[in-house]
Amino acid sequence: KAGVTQTPRYLIKTRGQQVTLSCSPISGHRSVSWYQQTPGQGLQFLFEYFSETQRNKGNFPGRFSGRQFSNSRSEMNVSTLELGDSALYLCASSTAAGRIYEQYFGPGTRLTVT
Amino acid sequence: TQLLEQSPQFLSIQEGENLTVYCNSSSVFSSLQWYRQEPGEGPVLLVTVVTGGEVKKLKRLTFQFGDARKDSSLHITAAQPGDTGLYLCAGEADRGSTLGRLYFGRGTQLTVWP
Repeated sequence: KAGVTQTPRYLIKTRGQQVTLSCSPISGHRSVSWYQQTPGQGLQFLFEYFSETQRNKGNFPGRFSGRQFSNSRSEMNVSTLELGDSALYLCASSTAAGRIYEQYFGPGTRLTVT
Repeated sequence: TQLLEQSPQFLSIQEGENLTVYCNSSSVFSSLQWYRQEPGEGPVLLVTVVTGGEVKKLKRLTFQFGDARKDSSLHITAAQPGDTGLYLCAGEADRGSTLGRLYFGRGTQLTVWP
């Protein structure tokens, strides 16, 4: 079974621009979560989608948004980029079924804002 | 404020030594996962513990869930350079309030020198 894929793997953008990151979950997984990882803050939760609905949201400004499609693929958008948005953005998928909630991560998208 | 506190933050040891990493919280978790992350990659799920007092072994790694399901530990016996990485613990809180959400610690960066 193929793992979680994220595209692109690396991205360089300029302050003020916007960016869209893509995530394809493991086949059969209906839950997709997004995280921002920086050396100083660790893994920070952005949001989680389940069956095309945002079910949980972290404490990030409205510049960060996402969506999930009917095939469970998800996209994350960041508008008006700031230097502090430079980070590794990780996507994780889960079946979100049964008693245990386990997440499987993709390799991440390294975003650099200059 | 982190819901899960990991200690130590950094650990640098020689090959063959034993070590223990701790993950503590004042909250009760329905399950707790341990992940390992290598530079430039996403975290990889190592184990999930569910029952208070549960102990799971993965080769030289031993994971324990506290009796009250508020804390966990990871013990590595005879560490090897291949164990080097960032170890993250993540807890699934009460499903009624935060369905579909894992809370991550900041991680323990382990370096094992040959």
